[in-house]
Amino acid sequence: NAGVTQTPKFQVLKTGQSMTLQCAQDMNHNSMYWYRQDPGMGLRLIYYSASEGTTDKGEVPNGYNVSRLNKREFSLRLESAAPSQTSVYFCASSAHAGQVTGELFFGEGSRLTVL
Amino acid sequence: KNQVEQSPQSLIILEGKNCTLQCNYTVSPFSNLRWYKQDTGRGPVSLTIMTFSENTKSNGRYTATLDADTKQSSLHITASQLSDSASYICVVSARQAGTALIFGKGTTLSVSS
Repeated sequence: NAGVTQTPKFQVLKTGQSMTLQCAQDMNHNSMYWYRQDPGMGLRLIYYSASEGTTDKGEVPNGYNVSRLNKREFSLRLESAAPSQTSVYFCASSAHAGQVTGELFFGEGSRLTVL
Repeated sequence: KNQVEQSPQSLIILEGKNCTLQCNYTVSPFSNLRWYKQDTGRGPVSLTIMTFSENTKSNGRYTATLDADTKQSSLHITASQLSDSASYICVVSARQAGTALIFGKGTTLSVSS
């Protein structure tokens, strides 16, 4: 039972390079999310997709783009990486975004360093 | 401003001892409160979810309490084990869009033998 799978687990980029973080879930969930986690801060929402075909900005969307490829997959793209984007990125999924007590399942994280 | 504050920032206890972690929030309108456990280098894993009407919820050796009047929650860990060493994150959901989760910074617990 894989749950939420993220790739890559580690990545080092140079300033200005681009890359895409991949996320897939096998729980038939409707909603998917991208968070970033920085030292001394709580997780912050970058983008989310409440259902297949929709995406919306979260708290810190600048510098990122997302694609909900299908119900299973939600990717996060950095078009021109900056050192401020050095962080640990978590993908998560839930059955329905609007569900009051909807369980949120996280992937193992992707550790990105931008030099 | 919606905020979640956790204390202490870090805690060291001996194996077998109990401990209590605190969470204060100023989220409104309140929907539910969650506690997550995050092992080093891993993603957060849910321990409990409590709605406004629930004031206690247990998950094995973990017991969460909620006082919606004072906007406080606690996570009590009984008979700690080495595997309890982790960061514990309090998350409060506002009663609006389902994505409105406000994360605390977490309490880092170290259990030593």
